[in-house]
Amino acid sequence: DTAVSQTPKYLVTQMGNDKSIKCEQNLGHDTMYWYKQDSKKFLKIMFSYNNKELIINETVPNRFSPKSPDKAHLNLHINSLELGDSAVYFCASSPGGGSGNTIYFGEGSWLTVV
Amino acid sequence: SQQGEEDPQALSIQEGENATMNCSYKTSINNLQWYRQNSGRGLVHLILIRSNEREKHSGRLRVTLDTSKKSSSLLITASRAADTASYFCATFTGANSKLTFGKGITLSVRP
Repeated sequence: DTAVSQTPKYLVTQMGNDKSIKCEQNLGHDTMYWYKQDSKKFLKIMFSYNNKELIINETVPNRFSPKSPDKAHLNLHINSLELGDSAVYFCASSPGGGSGNTIYFGEGSWLTVV
Repeated sequence: SQQGEEDPQALSIQEGENATMNCSYKTSINNLQWYRQNSGRGLVHLILIRSNEREKHSGRLRVTLDTSKKSSSLLITASRAADTASYFCATFTGANSKLTFGKGITLSVRP
């Protein structure tokens, strides 16, 4: 199936731990994103990569480090997890970063920090 | 900062009725997009309207854009229970080259 897939779907972890969320897209898109959706469903962009290069970094704490080994993958590593990091994290991709593009989302990764 | 603001925040209608959702934004845009999110799922793109367009249709969806009022509306005609979801408007501005989402509208369609 052509899609944006991310793992794990659910993650429960303790404060202070380090965790990673993996994302892969097989749509052939050049641009990939990480979005964070809070408990009130507010969706905010965190990072955007175009062909493995960082394009957007929305003043996210440096405990969050995205890594793009190739243009089909964009992983998110989070160090020293805090309670406030609990949210749903969505990976997404688009054909390019231009204005005419629509964004294709993964199914989300539910992170709960306890 | 948040760009789009949807209105109402929640809407409950009977199956077969039309649902109208509004979105207002603050700065000039290249395009405006509507997305749907079913409970526990990712967002799915519904429709894109460019800043030089005033109306667009896709199946039971009708989107309008009024750039003078900086607002858009999404109309779903003959709603179905399966339309129950959250709907988000998102604006693309060339200035920051990113898609900024509103808070979303929760639509409940009663069978």
